[in-house]
Amino acid sequence: GAGVSQSPSNKVTEKGKDVELRCDPISGHTALYWYRQSLGQGLEFLIYFQGNSAPDKSGLPSDRFSAERTGGSVSTLTIQRTQQEDSAVYLCASRFYAGTQGGNTEAFFGQGTRLTVV
Amino acid sequence: GESVGLHLPTLSVQEGDNSIINCAYSNSASDYFIWYKQESGKGPQFIIDIRSNMDKRQGQRVTVLLNKTVKHLSLQIAATQPGDSAVYFCAENIGAGGTSYGKLTFGQGTILTVHP
Repeated sequence: GAGVSQSPSNKVTEKGKDVELRCDPISGHTALYWYRQSLGQGLEFLIYFQGNSAPDKSGLPSDRFSAERTGGSVSTLTIQRTQQEDSAVYLCASRFYAGTQGGNTEAFFGQGTRLTVV
Repeated sequence: GESVGLHLPTLSVQEGDNSIINCAYSNSASDYFIWYKQESGKGPQFIIDIRSNMDKRQGQRVTVLLNKTVKHLSLQIAATQPGDSAVYFCAENIGAGGTSYGKLTFGQGTILTVHP
C-alpha cells in the first residue's frame, strides 16, 4: 500500500514478556518517528531516525525500550519485560525531506499498534 | 519523555459555527508547525502546516495563525461540520539544521465536538 503500515494492529501480552512492534514507512521517506499515546492523552515522542544519522532516542522512557531501523526502511520498536504501564497505542510516522528549497513536510502516520499488557 | 496532558481540553460548537482551537508551543527555535486531526481508533491525519517565516496560511475551510512572539498557534475551522468532530493536535518541528529534518513534538490536543 501507499501509506505507513504498522503490525500487529493489536497485541495482548503478559507482564514480563518482550514485544516487537513493526513499522513499514512510505517508500522514499527517510525520516521515521515512534510515538506512544495513552488512552485519552496526547502523543508522547519516543524516538526518531533521520537518514543515516544517529537516531534521537531522547524520548525513550526506560532502557527496556529500543528501536532499530534496518536498511533505512522498516523499523522495529522492542519493549522488553513489559509492564502494565506500557499499555498504549504505539504510532509510527514517516516523512519526506524536500531538500533545502522545499524544507520540512508533514509526517504521515500509520494506524498504530494497540498494546495491552495483562 | 515529552510532557503530555492528562486531561484534554474540550470545545463544543454548533454545526455551522466557526471553531478556533489554540495551541501554545514550547521552543522558540521551532521552524515548522503542523495541525493534525485524529478520529477515534485512527492515526493522526494532516490538516495544514505553516513555516516559521509566515504568520498565516489558509486552506479549504481552515486557517492557521502563528504568533512567534508569544509562541502561539491557532487553527480556525469555518462552518464547522459534524464530521469535524475529532481530537486536534498541533505539532512543532525543532529543526536539526537547514539540511535535515527535525524532532516533531506534539501539543496536548483539544477535543472538538460539533453538535448538529
